Amino acid sequence: DIQMTQSPSSLSASVGDRVTITCRASQGISHYVAWYQQKPGKVPKLVIYTTSTLQSGVPSRFSGSGGGTEFTLTISSLQPEDVATYFCQNYNSAPWTFGQGTKVEIK
Amino acid sequence: QVQLVESGGGVVQPGRSLRLSCEASGFTFSNYAMHWVRQAPGKGLEWVAVISYDGSNKIYADSVKGRFTISRDNFKNTVYLQMNRLWAEDTAVYFCARPQPDFDFWSAYYAYWGQGTLVTVSS
Repeated sequence: DIQMTQSPSSLSASVGDRVTITCRASQGISHYVAWYQQKPGKVPKLVIYTTSTLQSGVPSRFSGSGGGTEFTLTISSLQPEDVATYFCQNYNSAPWTFGQGTKVEIK
Repeated sequence: QVQLVESGGGVVQPGRSLRLSCEASGFTFSNYAMHWVRQAPGKGLEWVAVISYDGSNKIYADSVKGRFTISRDNFKNTVYLQMNRLWAEDTAVYFCARPQPDFDFWSAYYAYWGQGTLVTVSS
C-alpha cells in the first residue's frame, strides 16, 4: 500500500500568512493527489484534485503543486474560515490512502 | 442537488453485524462508482470499499476484507455496506462518498460526501 505522510501535523499562523502543507507518498503516484478540508464536526470538502486543479467554488487563495512523491497545498493568505484539518489523498491506485491530517489554527 | 444520506449506524456488540445504507439523489446514480470511507473518533480518514457503477467490480481495504460486503441497488439509488464480525477497531463514522468523474472506477477523489453514520462497537 502507498503511505501518505503529511507534515506538519499541526500549525498555527496569523491571518494573512502564507501556509504550506506537504504530503509525501511512499512511491510515485504521478499527479493523482487530492486535498480535503474538514472543519470540526463537518464532512470533508474537496479542495484540490489532480495535484493542482481547484475544485469549483473553492477560493483562489488555495493552490496545489508537486508530482511523483512530493505534493504541497498552499494557502496564500490564511483566513479565519480556513481553520480546519487538511488531508491529502492518493488515488493513483487502490487502496486509496489518506495522509494523517494537518490541523491549521489561527495564532 | 446531489445528496447522500447514510443510515443504519448504532451501537453493536463485538462479533455482531450491522448493515449501512446510503441513499443517493440529485444525480444519475447508476453512472457512478460509490465508496465507503470511515473516520474513527478524533482520527483521520480511511478508505473502506468501492463498488463500480454496475456492481461488477468491488475492492476492499485489507482491514475489512472477508468481513464487509459492499453492494448496490441501482433501482433504489442505494449503496449498502454489510459489516460482519465487527471489532472495536471498526468504531467510526462511516461516510458514503461519490467520486467526481462518472464511469471512472479509479479516479476516486470525492466531490460529494454523506453526513456520515456512527458505528460504535462495544460490549
